[in-house]
Amino acid sequence: EPEVTQTPSHQVTQMGQEVILRCVPISNHLYFYWYRQILGQKVEFLVSFYNNEISEKSEIFDDQFSVERPDGSNFTLKIRSTKLEDSAMYFCASSVGLSHEAFFGQGTRLTVV
Amino acid sequence: GENVEQHPSTLSVQEGDSAVIKCTYSDSASNYFPWYKQELGKRPQLIIDIRSNVGEKKDQRIAVTLNKTAKHFSLHITETQPEDSAVYFCAARNSGGGADGLTFGKGTHLIIQP
Repeated sequence: EPEVTQTPSHQVTQMGQEVILRCVPISNHLYFYWYRQILGQKVEFLVSFYNNEISEKSEIFDDQFSVERPDGSNFTLKIRSTKLEDSAMYFCASSVGLSHEAFFGQGTRLTVV
Repeated sequence: GENVEQHPSTLSVQEGDSAVIKCTYSDSASNYFPWYKQELGKRPQLIIDIRSNVGEKKDQRIAVTLNKTAKHFSLHITETQPEDSAVYFCAARNSGGGADGLTFGKGTHLIIQP
């Protein structure tokens, strides 16, 4: 069964450093998303990406965040200058369409120290 | 924006009994309502979803009901088994209104007592 894959599974970074989280969505999916989940809390929407551009972003997705689809398979989330409060599990997801199931990757646990 | 409230935060039931988790949403234009199951340290996985043109949907031991007028939807799990123990999240989205992202509830930790 096809699945969304994310790398790395765990990233530790120093405050102020840049990190790039990588995702490979399911190949025939058209919508790509990033969500985050702070430990013990709910899943929060960050951004959606469709047709090679941001379709929607939440209030959390400020200027320190950016997304990119550098080639036909990868979808990346960049955090320019990490803060302690960026520590969370980051999930990539993809779907065929907006009214279809969003399949989640296994997540990248980001720890900012 | 959309706001989703979910209750209870923790639910403990005896194995074999039924479990019900309830959610309310604020945006009357929301039209897609999935439920996700998340086991400890793992990804959220869709277990059932419902669209606003349907009032109820069932898949074996799992059912979801939607009341558009009251803006609430519920997850029903019958004949609970130990492997049902997990955190369950409800979510809502307005697929046709430019809102792509799912808005999640805070989750319900379901504990199945043997």
